[in-house]
Amino acid sequence: DTEVTQTPKHLVMGMTNKKSLKCEQHMGHRAMYWYKQKAKKPPELMFVYSYEKLSINESVPSRFSPECPNSSLLNLHLHALQPEDSALYLCASSLREGSYEQYFGPGTRLTVT
Amino acid sequence: LAKTTQPISMDSYEGQEVNITCSHNNIATNDYITWYQQFPSQGPRFIIQGYKTKVTNEVASLFIPADRKSSTLSLPRVSLSDTAVYYCLVGDWSGTASKLTFGTGTRLQVTL
Repeated sequence: DTEVTQTPKHLVMGMTNKKSLKCEQHMGHRAMYWYKQKAKKPPELMFVYSYEKLSINESVPSRFSPECPNSSLLNLHLHALQPEDSALYLCASSLREGSYEQYFGPGTRLTVT
Repeated sequence: LAKTTQPISMDSYEGQEVNITCSHNNIATNDYITWYQQFPSQGPRFIIQGYKTKVTNEVASLFIPADRKSSTLSLPRVSLSDTAVYYCLVGDWSGTASKLTFGTGTRLQVTL
């Protein structure tokens, strides 16, 4: 199984809502990532988890809160987002942190109204 | 981090060979060259990686000249389904602090 799954596929939320994005992989990978991608732009790294511990936070605003409950799951909790946070949120995993070969999920298309 | 420069877009007809060149003039000795492909509304997918000369897999070939200041991704006989954005990344991925830093990419449009 070389698949990274993400739910939901689409999410519309108001600026006062709290929601969560979920990501799952069963490849035994020990590194997991969150990226943000705006339309017609490249993906930008947000967070890196290695062995379920937060390794890198790319100065992401605190309204984005990542969580790694176990080695297969990665969540991104969202609270008080702004319309400019609307984007495609991609989850990825790799065998170890820093690997050049990452497996990406299909993403969650988030719209903040 | 080595900066990469790629054409913004390319057009091709189905069945042609497509070559996408990436310039990375300040590539470091320990850096590798990696290419990703991203279809619309999907996450990027690793295609190929190389250090020097030529690397080939079932999807593409990667040509790297001796000075390593550029590289060329070659897609043989493209089809409509090869329409995607292709990213060239350069980095030293031997340590845990390494990241994937995507540049602007090349948008390839394949038509009949």
